[in-house]
Amino acid sequence: QVQLVESGGGVVQPGGSLRLSCAASGFTFSTFGMHWVRQAPGKGLEWVAFIEHDGSSAYYADSVEGRFTVSRDSSKNTLYLQMNSLRSEDTAVYHCARAHYYFDHWGQGTLVTVSS
Amino acid sequence: EIVMTQSPATLSVSPGERATLSCRASQSVSSHLAWYQQKPGQAPRLLIYDASTRATDIPVRFSGSGSGTEFTLTISGLQSEDFAVYYCQQYNKRPPWTFGQGTKVEIK
Repeated sequence: QVQLVESGGGVVQPGGSLRLSCAASGFTFSTFGMHWVRQAPGKGLEWVAFIEHDGSSAYYADSVEGRFTVSRDSSKNTLYLQMNSLRSEDTAVYHCARAHYYFDHWGQGTLVTVSS
Repeated sequence: EIVMTQSPATLSVSPGERATLSCRASQSVSSHLAWYQQKPGQAPRLLIYDASTRATDIPVRFSGSGSGTEFTLTISGLQSEDFAVYYCQQYNKRPPWTFGQGTKVEIK
């Protein structure tokens, strides 16, 4: 069955960096686009980034454009999110999700806390 | 950016009753709309896509309808496991993919 397992979250100071990973299994990773979606504490869902199945294109929410970079390694079946210049408003649980045009499978998420 | 607006914010329903959740798009999204269920501490789960198609293993008591800018998720005969937060999401015009703010279905 499809499994998505995020890791790499933690506490980081404002202005710091963090790299999240999402390990995928149970499907042919190289044939699916992948998303990152975040959820601030007690808030709703916010789309963050998308990468095409072959890594050829990536798209970002305005709120993270220029600070976050999504990438993937199909040899490792892993999706990444490099987060730089972190701000307090980036504090959230970050989920990876498999893409059709909608999000058909989600990981449990990893918590990122930006605080001094 | 297409803005998705859900109503009500909270819906109080007794077990066994019907719940009707609404989602409105700021411009037409055709039928490119999905619904998700999220329980506390869990990942969202896809319920409905293409406005009315149930995802794999989703019970028939969940149904979706609408097109254009007005959509409805109906849960017939609410069961205890259905009390959760529900989100709509459009994928007609992206990026960005946009979600509604959610409707919490609580026990009356």
